[in-house]
Amino acid sequence: NAGVTQTPKFRVLKTGQSMTLLCAQDMNHEYMYWYRQDPGMGLRLIHYSVGEGTTAKGEVPDGYNVSRLKKQNFLLGLESAAPSQTSVYFCASRRLRITNTGELFFGEGSRLTVL
Amino acid sequence: EDKVVQSPLSLVVHEGDTVTLNCSYEVTNFRSLLWYKQEKKAPTFLFMLTSSGIEKKSGRLSSILDKKELSSILNITATQTGDSAIYLCALFMEYGNKLVFGAGTILRVKS
Repeated sequence: NAGVTQTPKFRVLKTGQSMTLLCAQDMNHEYMYWYRQDPGMGLRLIHYSVGEGTTAKGEVPDGYNVSRLKKQNFLLGLESAAPSQTSVYFCASRRLRITNTGELFFGEGSRLTVL
Repeated sequence: EDKVVQSPLSLVVHEGDTVTLNCSYEVTNFRSLLWYKQEKKAPTFLFMLTSSGIEKKSGRLSSILDKKELSSILNITATQTGDSAIYLCALFMEYGNKLVFGAGTILRVKS
């Protein structure tokens, strides 16, 4: 059982290049999230999705775009990478439940360096 | 802005010590408070707290929520080197279907 899988795990970009991070989950979860983690700042929410075809902005959405064309996949795109986007990116998912208490299932992270 | 503050930011202890990690927050409209442990990769779930004063325990770890003090603590007794990690506190908000995380506490346990 794979859970939440992120690709690629590592990437080095030059300023101005574009790239897409892919998150795939096999748990049939409705909600999916993209966070970034920087030293001393914890996890900050970039964008999230409450279902196929829907997306919403989080705390730090600027410079990123997302798409949720299929329920199991959530893509994070950087159109023109900047050094400030050097970070570790985590995807997470959770199920829609009436008694939902917020537990997220995380992928193993993607380390992105922008030179 | 929703805010979750964890303290200390980092600490170093010796094996066998007991540690208490703190999480304080400034909002009241949340459904639950969650603790995660992050070693080298993905955060893993430890506890979920919704009611004030009810302690959750798992082995040497325990946690409690105090809604009057707007805080939660995570205790680890008889620490081991395997407890070395970043411990993250998060609030599951009433609105927005999202978790708001604190900056984390970096714990290092020396043998």
